[in-house]
Amino acid sequence: DVKVTQSSRYLVKRTGEKVFLECVQDMDHENMFWYRQDPGLGLRLIYFSYDVKMKEKGDIPEGYSVSREKKERFSLILESASTNQTSMYLCASSALGQGAYYGYTFGSGTRLTVV
Amino acid sequence: DQQVKQNSPSLSVQEGRISILNCDYTNSMFDYFLWYKKYPAEGPTFLISISSIKDKNEDGRFTVFLNKSAKHLSLHIVPSQPGDSAVYFCAPINTDKLIFGTGTRLQVFP
Repeated sequence: DVKVTQSSRYLVKRTGEKVFLECVQDMDHENMFWYRQDPGLGLRLIYFSYDVKMKEKGDIPEGYSVSREKKERFSLILESASTNQTSMYLCASSALGQGAYYGYTFGSGTRLTVV
Repeated sequence: DQQVKQNSPSLSVQEGRISILNCDYTNSMFDYFLWYKKYPAEGPTFLISISSIKDKNEDGRFTVFLNKSAKHLSLHIVPSQPGDSAVYFCAPINTDKLIFGTGTRLQVFP
């Protein structure tokens, strides 16, 4: 069974901390994405990557950065966590050009609380 | 600027009846439209999609209708089952990026 694995289900961090959220996929997908989900706002795209070392800003990149050193791994970094970054973070992947036909595969999410 | 709107935050339907979830969009360049289902504490799962050149796509109990002139699509679930209770997201795709709506929480009661 193909999978997208997010390293943590729940995280609690302090304001100002640097936070790393890790995502690994085993499907050899080119595309990887980070979204956050907030009540009433749906899923909003933070960053995405079409290939190793490539990254593109999504709709809400402020306060975040990403790293893609290997094809299977896409990391989201909160440079200095703030309370308004408390959210559910979802990682997804898709094969290049196939997202419309097969959709994205999502991980189970990381619930991050910043206190 | 909300490109994708799901104006009903919640919907309650009796088991066995039809559930209709609606979605409006503004960008006429979307070429595919997907529906995702999400249970609490899980990632969204792909349900069904439709190409912009079609007006209907059916898969078992799920049918999606697309009205391009009105920039509107809907998901019909017939018959609705308690296991269908979840949040449903409309998600058009453009250049391999999904843009999600705000979601509709469907509750199917016995």
